[in-house]
Amino acid sequence: GAVVSQHPSWVICKSGTSVKIECRSLDFQATTMFWYRQFPKQSLMLMATSNEGSKATYEQGVEKDKFLINHASLTLSTLTVTSAHPEDSSFYICSASRSGRGYGYTFGSGTRLTVV
Amino acid sequence: GIQVEQSPPDLILQEGANSTLRCNFSDSVNNLQWFHQNPWGQLINLFYIPSGTKQNGRLSATTVATERYSLLYISSSQTTDSGVYFCAVVDSSYKLIFGSGTRLLVRP
Repeated sequence: GAVVSQHPSWVICKSGTSVKIECRSLDFQATTMFWYRQFPKQSLMLMATSNEGSKATYEQGVEKDKFLINHASLTLSTLTVTSAHPEDSSFYICSASRSGRGYGYTFGSGTRLTVV
Repeated sequence: GIQVEQSPPDLILQEGANSTLRCNFSDSVNNLQWFHQNPWGQLINLFYIPSGTKQNGRLSATTVATERYSLLYISSSQTTDSGVYFCAVVDSSYKLIFGSGTRLLVRP
């Protein structure tokens, strides 16, 4: 149990376009979902936390207007990178929490975004 | 916010060797997890261990919450153990904060 599906696995887009990444909890309802970004040979940096039906909470330094997060249901959260630039190229990973209370964090397989 | 530091940053082992990875954190935490990130980026949960000791095959972990550190032991290492090991702590807002990671290479 506790499977999180993330799509697409990789995407290449042109500068200035937008890209949407989906994160679905397949067999449980996710109270909270998290979005992380990982640059090569670095750690995972938390970008934002989203709770179903409410606005996402962004970490300091993360542009809200550039990284749009929607958590419309208990099983789906989306991250849209708007007006992407080469510096947005990175590995994006979502995580879903069943409880939102410190345990049960399940990760998607990640999306490798390349902006050319 | 809470700081999570891991050591060593890089580790090279010969197959069959044992190793200890360390994770220090700067404040009390609600939980702590160890992950292995494989070459494709997938995070594999190894342990939930807010305190005490757990073992799973060749891996074991110990967290001493009062002293704010956790250790991951790998015994009889295999080439498939290569990858990056992260510890992550759950802070007071129930966010999972990752450490800097230990990059492990096991040579045959």
